[in-house]
Amino acid sequence: GQQLNQSPQSMFIQEGEDVSMNCTSSSIFNTWLWYKQDPGEGPVLLIALYKAGELTSNGRLTAQFGITRKDSFLNISASIPSDVGIYFCAGQLTYDKVIFGPGTSLSVIP
Amino acid sequence: DAGITQSPRHKVTETGTPVTLRCHQTENHRYMYWYRQDPGHGLRLIHYSYGVKDTDKGEVSDGYSVSRSKTEDFLLTLESATSSQTSVYFCAISESTYYEQYFGPGTRLTVT
Repeated sequence: GQQLNQSPQSMFIQEGEDVSMNCTSSSIFNTWLWYKQDPGEGPVLLIALYKAGELTSNGRLTAQFGITRKDSFLNISASIPSDVGIYFCAGQLTYDKVIFGPGTSLSVIP
Repeated sequence: DAGITQSPRHKVTETGTPVTLRCHQTENHRYMYWYRQDPGHGLRLIHYSYGVKDTDKGEVSDGYSVSRSKTEDFLLTLESATSSQTSVYFCAISESTYYEQYFGPGTRLTVT
């Protein structure tokens, strides 16, 4: 079936550094979503992207919908300790067709 | 935050017993979903609903049933729990136009 690849699988960074992660697929999607999940909690929607080439920011987070519609990127600037968690991407075709990536685990060293 | 609650938040049950998990939303969203999250498998769709009394199967529906008698409530039932159903279960909701999903806090289910 359809799969999403997320890289890197895990990251260890110093507080204040910028972070980049991406999500790729062999399939085309209409919407790309980025979620963050803290331990013991549900995923929280960070950014939603609706058009190829779209660049959207949410505070220190910036995400882009790849021009081929097969990939997406998430950047976090000036990381802080509360950025720790697992970041999931999701590619969506319609309400019943959403594929989630395996996640990128982010650790921030103070 | 989207108004989604799940109950119970934690449950331990024995193999062979029936279990029902509840998802309640206050957003009046049309679509509701049940996922399970397991290490190495990520989030997998169990069942979803596209309206009151309208449901359909997802990727991993075997051993699960659902019901939606009101817009705000979506129930997931394990008729006879097995150890392979030990997992964290998440409910999600979405609304048109773009259908982005918002998740509840999760239910950790352990089947012994």
